[in-house]
Amino acid sequence: ETGVTQSPTHLIKTRGQQVTLRCSSQSGHNTVSWYQQALGQGPQFIFQYYREEENGRGNFPPRFSGLQFPNYSSELNVNALELDDSALYLCASSLGQGKNSPLHFGNGTRLTVT
Amino acid sequence: AQSVSQHNHHVILSEAASLELGCNYSYGGTVNLFWYVQYPGQHLQLLLKYFSGDPLVKGIKGFEAEFIKSKFSFNLRKPSVQWSDTAEYFCAVIGNAGKSTFGDGTTLTVKP
Repeated sequence: ETGVTQSPTHLIKTRGQQVTLRCSSQSGHNTVSWYQQALGQGPQFIFQYYREEENGRGNFPPRFSGLQFPNYSSELNVNALELDDSALYLCASSLGQGKNSPLHFGNGTRLTVT
Repeated sequence: AQSVSQHNHHVILSEAASLELGCNYSYGGTVNLFWYVQYPGQHLQLLLKYFSGDPLVKGIKGFEAEFIKSKFSFNLRKPSVQWSDTAEYFCAVIGNAGKSTFGDGTTLTVKP
């Protein structure tokens, strides 16, 4: 089975710019969740997409937005980048939106904002 | 609000030593509990999970965890660690809304 893949692996942006990160879910998975992991911290839940709709959101401002496509792949968009947005962004896919669905993670995208 | 606390930030053990990593959570409803592991250079992967039933759950590579409801704890254990267990370990909670909350992780270093 194909695992979760994320692109790009690394990215450098300037404060104020916009960025799009991409994620392909594991084969057969219909739910995608996005996380931000700052250095020395655990993954922080940004939001989850199920059947192309946002289904749950963490404490992130509206400039963090996303999309899920019919093939269940997903994008994370961040507008008006701030220095504190520098982090590892993780995508995880699962089968189903509920709490019984273990997450399968990608390797992440390392975003640096200068 | 959900929260997860992992008390040990960095644990250093010699091979064959026993391991216990603490995890405490807060949540007002029924939760599902997970431990994830991240080996050096690899992605996060599931170690074990608890949904219901027997509070002692077994995972891969000889790991187990015990859910103690009265203590809001889900500690990870392994009787005898190996050098290959060197990794970062994350405890996570998923509540009814499907929202997951992770602890800040414990880095385990096993000395050969």
